[in-house]
Amino acid sequence: RKEVEQDPGPFNVPEGATVAFNCTYSNSASQSFFWYRQDCRKEPKLLMSVYSSGNEDGRFTAQLNRASQYISLLIRDSKLSDSATYLCVVNRGSNYGQNFVFGPGTRLSVLP
Amino acid sequence: GAVVSQHPSWVICKSGTSVKIECRSLDFQATTMFWYRQFPKQSLMLMATSNEGSKATYEQGVEKDKFLINHASLTLSTLTVTSAHPEDSSFYICSARDWGGAETQYFGPGTRLLVL
Repeated sequence: RKEVEQDPGPFNVPEGATVAFNCTYSNSASQSFFWYRQDCRKEPKLLMSVYSSGNEDGRFTAQLNRASQYISLLIRDSKLSDSATYLCVVNRGSNYGQNFVFGPGTRLSVLP
Repeated sequence: GAVVSQHPSWVICKSGTSVKIECRSLDFQATTMFWYRQFPKQSLMLMATSNEGSKATYEQGVEKDKFLINHASLTLSTLTVTSAHPEDSSFYICSARDWGGAETQYFGPGTRLLVL
């Protein structure tokens, strides 16, 4: 089993739709969590950090459930420019040299 | 956000040659830099953690003698792929964590390596 798993995708949705991505992680010692987006042939870019209390940034809402080791990302009113691969990223923490583990990504295509 | 650059952005080389990739943090000091590799349609895989002034820490399965890492200053880390072979063709991406210890990593734009 992979350390970080995500919905396999791809997700093809019309403009304006609401889409939700799910992510699970297996290392209970993981300390921090992020969503990154990666456009084709580009580097990943931070979308948002994920906190236990949940956090929102405009059309994007992230949730973390430590008990279930589950992370989610909700995109409302999706735009064409949201088309990308969304990466769930888990920081293993100091015992592991504080390095990131990337999920396989879920590709989103927003259609006109 | 912080800026990380990589050079070159793409490389085409013959099998058996060595390729050096530079990663620079442009507006902050990075005590720790990370090197990742990404094959087509796959996610990023951490290769090694590069610490300024000390030896890099390699992930399991990554040959340290093949992927030489040097982190000589707080703004520069280099990855050298020695005696590259076609199976080393990949997208190599570095990231840097800032001196302040923030958890966020800032990624360079990546280097595409094609070994013929």
